[in-house]
Amino acid sequence: AQSVAQPEDQVNVAEGNPLTVKCTYSVSGNPYLFWYVQYPNRGLQFLLKYITGDNLVKGSYGFEAEFNKSQTSFHLKKPSALVSDSALYFCAVSSNFGNEKLTFGTGTRLTIIP
Amino acid sequence: EAGVVQSPRYKIIEKKQPVAFWCNPISGHNTLYWYRQNLGQGPELLIRYENEEAVDDSQLPKDRFSAERLKGVDSTLKIQPAELGDSAVYLCASSLRSQVPIGAFFGQGTRLTVV
Repeated sequence: AQSVAQPEDQVNVAEGNPLTVKCTYSVSGNPYLFWYVQYPNRGLQFLLKYITGDNLVKGSYGFEAEFNKSQTSFHLKKPSALVSDSALYFCAVSSNFGNEKLTFGTGTRLTIIP
Repeated sequence: EAGVVQSPRYKIIEKKQPVAFWCNPISGHNTLYWYRQNLGQGPELLIRYENEEAVDDSQLPKDRFSAERLKGVDSTLKIQPAELGDSAVYLCASSLRSQVPIGAFFGQGTRLTVV
């Protein structure tokens, strides 16, 4: 069985500071990892993915994530937070082909404080 | 390009009543998912289709939930009868099965309230 853990329900960051949203995973075989963002009354929006290759992947809105195989982690990062980054963030994992079962974490609510 | 379209956006029904949700995936996407998202939780997979075949319905409560994807395009998810605990957001997503995973693209969801 595959699973995702997002250990922080809530993360608060001052505007302009770097942010990190944590994610660890468990999966058989090679992991395919995704970050999604959800704004109020909106669907999930794709941010970035790791399939293979460079451990640091860059995505939308200036976000990036670092894949660490030994720590089974895929933390989301941004060098300088914006108030508009405030939203609910979900990490997800699948294996084999990424469009098979996608398992989500419970989400982390990111609040950027002006 | 149009994204995943779901309707209705909101639905309020009394318990024991039936309800149906509709999803139109992105054109050409052969994989379709239905997820349920409870308040404050991550989405949980209900069923996954590859074309018209349901390849993973292990999490679908089959006593009251049913789904279909005729002709491998649009899909409907039905609940009959609805229970109070079914109140949630029902998300449809689609993807393209390929050598390089593209991830799933989600619709805006249908927020169901059972009273």
